[in-house]
Amino acid sequence: DTGVSQDPRHKITKRGQNVTFRCDPISEHNRLYWYRQTLGQGPEFLTYFQNEAQLEKSRLLSDRFSAERPKGSFSTLEIQRTEQGDSAMYLCASSLDRVGGETQYFGPGTRLLVL
Amino acid sequence: AQKVTQAQTEISVVEKEDVTLDCVYETRDTTYYLFWYKQPPSGELVFLIRRNSFDEQNEISGRYSWNFQKSTSSFNFTITASQVVDSAVYFCALSETEDKIIFGKGTRLHILP
Repeated sequence: DTGVSQDPRHKITKRGQNVTFRCDPISEHNRLYWYRQTLGQGPEFLTYFQNEAQLEKSRLLSDRFSAERPKGSFSTLEIQRTEQGDSAMYLCASSLDRVGGETQYFGPGTRLLVL
Repeated sequence: AQKVTQAQTEISVVEKEDVTLDCVYETRDTTYYLFWYKQPPSGELVFLIRRNSFDEQNEISGRYSWNFQKSTSSFNFTITASQVVDSAVYFCALSETEDKIIFGKGTRLHILP
């Protein structure tokens, strides 16, 4: 049973460049979440998908951020025109959609450094 | 509004001591879920426990135990006979809607040999 995987694990980029991260959820999970974690803080919710539908977006997700889950399987998170304030760990999680809720399982994260 | 407070930023104990990590939450909902996650130095968040608001029974899993008290809005986590491998950042978290999770700022736990 493979867990949630994320690629790349680390990314260094220059301010103004675009970056894209990928998340592969646990295979039978229909919900996929993106969180951002800055140094010394807990993860903060960005957005989530149920199958291919993006159901909620946080106000943290500015216009420079876009997330997709085109076939309801893997997801991508793109940041355009990166800023130094985007430096953070980007975490992906997945879960099953069941009555009563279900536990979110997290991937190893993508650590982004914007120079 | 929902909020999770972990007042202990950092704790250090000597191996084999017991340690309790505090968590206080705020919510207006009567139905909600509480979680604890562990984040070792590798960075991956490891799920420890999920508890719904209707189940106030305390839980024990090996050296880990959790005390849920709705009267004080607390969901504390105790590690008995701590080990060096328990060193990590521990996050308490709350979910009202069965989707997004709100995390506390975490408690960094150092277990000294």
